Amino acid sequence: SQKIEQNSEALNIQEGKTATLTCNYTNYSPAYLQWYRQDPGRGPVFLLLIRENEKEKRKERLKVTFDTTLKQSLFHITASQPADSATYLCALDVDTGRRALTFGSGTRLQVQP
Amino acid sequence: NAGVTQTPKFRVLKTGQSMTLLCAQDMNHEYMYWYRQDPGMGLRLIHYSVGEGTTAKGEVPDGYNVSRLKKQNFLLGLESAAPSQTSVYFCASSYFGVTAHTQYFGPGTRLTVL
Repeated sequence: SQKIEQNSEALNIQEGKTATLTCNYTNYSPAYLQWYRQDPGRGPVFLLLIRENEKEKRKERLKVTFDTTLKQSLFHITASQPADSATYLCALDVDTGRRALTFGSGTRLQVQP
Repeated sequence: NAGVTQTPKFRVLKTGQSMTLLCAQDMNHEYMYWYRQDPGMGLRLIHYSVGEGTTAKGEVPDGYNVSRLKKQNFLLGLESAAPSQTSVYFCASSYFGVTAHTQYFGPGTRLTVL
């Protein structure tokens, strides 16, 4: 069956360190992968998109990698801050005809001051 | 620009009652979606629409109906609510691009069915 897996356990790191979150998928061949941030009681907010022919994408302190052979994306936040504490969701376009995304369940990041 | 708005923010229903959730977007997006989010399950697509007057089923459509009479509005209906429909419902919209359907989400509606 098709599956998107994100670490369900919360990631706790110290302020200033780099946070690395993982998104693994099986049985998909997505054209692109997206990362969203979700704060408690709010809707997800788009952060970054990476296409299948791109290995790496950066935006300010954020970096995303996409390995279509390993079927994995890594999401990095460098110089993390307490304000980065949130749940981070990865999403794939698993059916381009439907033009909808399939989301992972998310990983909660807690940055300690 | 309000973006995507949802009405109501909270609602408590009794089993068997009906209700309609309203989603509105002011970005002139073609695509609109309804998701539900349950603990540990992530976002699951209920129904979606690729344009005014069109709707289609997502992953978990049973027990829900939708309508898209105007481009800016997408309504989600529960005809006979069940406790299994207790969830947080999110509406999203995206533009009609060749690729990459970045989605813009509303703030959510927290629904409890007793």
